Amino acid sequence: GAVVSQHPSRVICKSGTSVKIECRSLDFQATTMFWYRQFPKQSLMLMATSNEGSKATYEQGVEKDKFLINHASLTLSTLTVTSAHPEDSSFYICSARVGTSGNQDEQFFGPGTRLTVL
Amino acid sequence: GQQLNQSPQSMFIQEGEDVSMNCTSSSIFNTWLWYKQDPGEGPVLLIALYKAGELTSNGRLTAQFGITRKDSFLNISASIPSDVGIYFCAGHRGATNKLIFGTGTLLAVQP
Repeated sequence: GAVVSQHPSRVICKSGTSVKIECRSLDFQATTMFWYRQFPKQSLMLMATSNEGSKATYEQGVEKDKFLINHASLTLSTLTVTSAHPEDSSFYICSARVGTSGNQDEQFFGPGTRLTVL
Repeated sequence: GQQLNQSPQSMFIQEGEDVSMNCTSSSIFNTWLWYKQDPGEGPVLLIALYKAGELTSNGRLTAQFGITRKDSFLNISASIPSDVGIYFCAGHRGATNKLIFGTGTLLAVQP
């Protein structure tokens, strides 16, 4: 099956620093990647949709200057949390979509990255 | 953003019992998906439903896409300890590729 990896799995940083999270599709090319955020005991909330070679589309309420997304290839998308603050501490999960035939294409999820901002 | 409402919020059952959980929305969905998430992991797809009325099984799991396209249920038969986790429904509205997730159901299975 399709495998999506994330790196790092955990990161602890000081307030004010920037953190980069990588999302890779290991055995397939992903036309679209998605970034989600999940707070403790809550559901996954979509942050942005990322298409290779174009600008990401952000959901309402998500600051694009704070959460920088780069999708340079069909197998790699990165999320950079700039000037991180404690309230950015969360579980960040990416997914990669296989195919181009519409919403019946499956999304495969990465294992997530736990960000803790001190 | 919009979320799908799942019930129950949590369930504590004995091993061997059957489980049923459901997901409802005020809007019509074109697909319904059921995921399981283990602690500290990403969600894993269990069952995907694409047509209203569709009933699909995957081992001990059975899910149905409601006729009104506003709800779905997931049943787990003869639960085992490894069924423990959080179950999320999710769906697509319209032609969008965006997934909207439910509020989740925490399942605990007592051996």
